[in-house]
Amino acid sequence: DSGVTQTPKHLITATGQRVTLRCSPRSGDLSVYWYQQSLDQGLQFLIQYYNGEERAKGNILERFSAQQFPDLHSELNLSSLELGDSALYFCASSVAAQGSGYTFGSGTRLTVV
Amino acid sequence: GNSVTQMEGPVTLSEEAFLTINCTYTATGYPSLFWYVQYPGEGLQLLLKATKADDKGSNKGFEATYRKETTSFHLEKGSVQVSDSAVYFCALSLLKAAGNKLTFGGGTRVLVKP
Repeated sequence: DSGVTQTPKHLITATGQRVTLRCSPRSGDLSVYWYQQSLDQGLQFLIQYYNGEERAKGNILERFSAQQFPDLHSELNLSSLELGDSALYFCASSVAAQGSGYTFGSGTRLTVV
Repeated sequence: GNSVTQMEGPVTLSEEAFLTINCTYTATGYPSLFWYVQYPGEGLQLLLKATKADDKGSNKGFEATYRKETTSFHLEKGSVQVSDSAVYFCALSLLKAAGNKLTFGGGTRVLVKP
C-alpha cells in the first residue's frame, strides 16, 4: 500500500457520460497530481494541485476538470466521454519539494464503451 | 521544454543477464532524475533517484548515475531476475513556482525469461 488511495479501481461507462475519479493523498503530502496513461500516448501529465489551489496544468482537455478539497483529497471529473478517453488514470502525491519524487496510487482503469 | 527519451522496448533477457536501459534528458535548468517501475496491473513505484550531478541512485540491485555532461541517467542491473519483468520509466522534475511536475519518458518494457 503506497498510501495514495484511488477509487474506484475500475469504471466502465458509455460515451457521452460523466464520471468522477477520487484520490486521497499520502498523509502529510500537500500536492496532488493527475496523470493519464494510454497505450498510444504514454504517461501524460494532466494537472497539479497544491494545498487546494491549482498549481500547474498539462495536457488536460476542456471536458476534464479537477479540484482539491480542504481535506486535501482530489477529484478528477471527466465529462462528455469519448472512446479515446479510455485509459488508466493515476493520482500521485508529494511534498512538492524538488527531488522528493511522487507516490503513486494504483490507478483507476476507465473503459468507455 | 523539458523532455526525456528512453530506449524503446521490449527488452527480453534471460535470468542473471545484465540489464541496461538508456535514458537521456533535455531540461531548462537543473533537474532531479528518477526511475520508476510499473509491475503488471499496478501503479508506478519509485525505484531510485538522483538530485545532482554525479549522484548515484541505487535500490534493489539497480543503479543509475546522474551524468550532467551527457545529460543521461542510464539504469543498470548486474543480474536480473524474472521478478524484474516490468515497465521502467525514466523521469525528471524541476521545482518551479508553477509546481513540481514530473516529465516521463515513454517507458521500456523488460521481460526476463527463466
